[in-house]
Amino acid sequence: NAGVTQTPKFRILKIGQSMTLQCTQDMNHNYMYWYRQDPGMGLKLIYYSVGAGITDKGEVPNGYNVSRSTTEDFPLRLELAAPSQTSVYFCASTTPTGTGGVNTEAFFGQGTRLTVV
Amino acid sequence: AQKVTQAQTEISVVEKEDVTLDCVYETRDTTYYLFWYKQPPSGELVFLIRRNSFDEQNEISGRYSWNFQKSTSSFNFTITASQVVDSAVYFCALSNNNDMRFGAGTRLTVKP
Repeated sequence: NAGVTQTPKFRILKIGQSMTLQCTQDMNHNYMYWYRQDPGMGLKLIYYSVGAGITDKGEVPNGYNVSRSTTEDFPLRLELAAPSQTSVYFCASTTPTGTGGVNTEAFFGQGTRLTVV
Repeated sequence: AQKVTQAQTEISVVEKEDVTLDCVYETRDTTYYLFWYKQPPSGELVFLIRRNSFDEQNEISGRYSWNFQKSTSSFNFTITASQVVDSAVYFCALSNNNDMRFGAGTRLTVKP
């Protein structure tokens, strides 16, 4: 069971370049999330999805886009990379139970360390 | 909007001391869930505990214990007899309405 897989693990981008961070999970989880963690800081929610075809903005969505065409995949797109997007990006997934909402533990990927120069 | 505050940015203790990490949250919902995660120096996020808003029972797991008080909107985490391996960043998180928000984290350093 692979859990949540993120690729790539490391990437250096030049200002203005674009890229897609890949995230896939094999646990059939409905809910998926993208967070960014700046050095020495906490996790900020970028976007989340409660199922295929449904996405919502989190706390810091500007400069990013997401899509959710399948339950397994939740890619994060950076269109015009900026130095402020230098961060570690974590993808997570979970599944609601009982009354709904996120009430089970989230499973995290290993992170993607992105540097924009 | 929901919010999690971890006022302690860094804590340093000597091995075998007890330490409490504070977490205060804000939410308008009556149904919500609180979590603690550990991020060791290797960077991965490790789930520690989940608590729902209807269960205010304190929980103990080995050297770890959690004190949930709805009256003060707090969900504090205590490590008893700390060990060097407890050195990590600890995050408190809150979920409701389908998303999950994290606090800024508390960096705990346990010195031998």
